[in-house]
Amino acid sequence: DAMVIQNPRYQVTQFGKPVTLSCSQTLNHNVMYWYQQKSSQAPKLLFHYYDKDFNNEADTPDNFQSRRPNTSFCFLDIRSPGLGDAAMYLCATSLRGTATNEKLFFGSGTQLSVL
Amino acid sequence: GIQVEQSPPDLILQEGANSTLRCNFSDSVNNLQWFHQNPWGQLINLFYIPSGTKQNGRLSATTVATERYSLLYISSSQTTDSGVYFCAVSTFYNFNKFYFGSGTKLNVKP
Repeated sequence: DAMVIQNPRYQVTQFGKPVTLSCSQTLNHNVMYWYQQKSSQAPKLLFHYYDKDFNNEADTPDNFQSRRPNTSFCFLDIRSPGLGDAAMYLCATSLRGTATNEKLFFGSGTQLSVL
Repeated sequence: GIQVEQSPPDLILQEGANSTLRCNFSDSVNNLQWFHQNPWGQLINLFYIPSGTKQNGRLSATTVATERYSLLYISSSQTTDSGVYFCAVSTFYNFNKFYFGSGTKLNVKP
């Protein structure tokens, strides 16, 4: 089945040690999103790619970077994780992001712990 | 940016009861979606409904775009309906960006 896959499901890193989370999709969608969700809060949009065009949210810390080497893969890099970056990171896709009947498809998320 | 508010924040139901969840938004939207997040964190799309009414089994949703709100109805609730329900919207001027409401946490008791 076509889907959005995130690996790993759980990631533990040390304070200040760079970490990369990965997302892949078999839907051939143009748009890929990264959301951060802290406990009992709503998902917060960090950035998204429309094809190769990167769009950063104004309040996303510089500590967070992203790469999209091809249509299928997108990576979230946290350069120097702090304790406050512990959260669930959700990857999502949409076909074009423009049509009113488009759905967002989410992966199962990566739960990041920072020790 | 657009503000998205959901109510109630928490809801406890007895199995078999009906409920209505509300999503208010502060600007015109070109896309509105309802999601259910299960206890393992997976977000499942329930409806995409920028306007009008849709039904899927025990669930239905209505969006009144001119009055900037959407309602999600759950009938004959089951314990498997427990979890957090989110609405997410995008606007005509930021159509690639989906912003989430604060969610309604539903607990259905047997």
